[in-house]
Amino acid sequence: DIQMTQSPSPLSASVGDRVTITCRASQSIGNALIWYQQKPGKAPHLLIYTASTLQTGVPLRFSGSGSGTDFTLTISSLQPEDFATYFCQQSYSNPPYTFGQGTKLE
Amino acid sequence: EVQLVESGGGLVKPGGSLRLSCAVSGFTFSNYNMNWVRQAPGKGLEWVSSISSTSLYIYYTDSVKGRFTISRDNANHLLYLQMSNLRVEDTAVYYCTRDSAGLVDWGQGTLVTVSS
Repeated sequence: DIQMTQSPSPLSASVGDRVTITCRASQSIGNALIWYQQKPGKAPHLLIYTASTLQTGVPLRFSGSGSGTDFTLTISSLQPEDFATYFCQQSYSNPPYTFGQGTKLE
Repeated sequence: EVQLVESGGGLVKPGGSLRLSCAVSGFTFSNYNMNWVRQAPGKGLEWVSSISSTSLYIYYTDSVKGRFTISRDNANHLLYLQMSNLRVEDTAVYYCTRDSAGLVDWGQGTLVTVSS
């Protein structure tokens, strides 16, 4: 199975910071990379698919980039509501899907 | 409005069985692949099983093969996960999810606790 590794975790930041979270795949997955946000006690919420396409309704301060094995999620100016855990997921092997271990933004 | 509502979780002893259900509304259920994803307490997300729109293709993660069975009832907009021979390590919140360029919709989850 394709392994997904996220860094860093946890990530300490402040409101207004530019934040970057990295996700690395164990083999090339093209652009088959998805990012989710999860807040405590809630289900995950899809933010970005195909590595860089913003889901409808997601604020423009979120962006994704990368291809092959290395991907990033960037929040341009951190807002209070962005403190959450972020997961990447590969959809290249369709399925089995695999997730990164998560990055808690605190 | 898209809604996915899981039910059927609870406390069960090791070796026991449970059947999870997910009732969906707000989209054409029969057009979409569906998944179960779980999250152990304080841990990350783990994909468990997928079923294609017509039930033709079914997949499981290795740790549940032979113990879990995914199924769906397109006429009644229901997704199921039959779980047997449950283990302590199956303890988790189980989410049903709709697959569309990613797991675009999630239920609120149902907690399965396997403990003696």
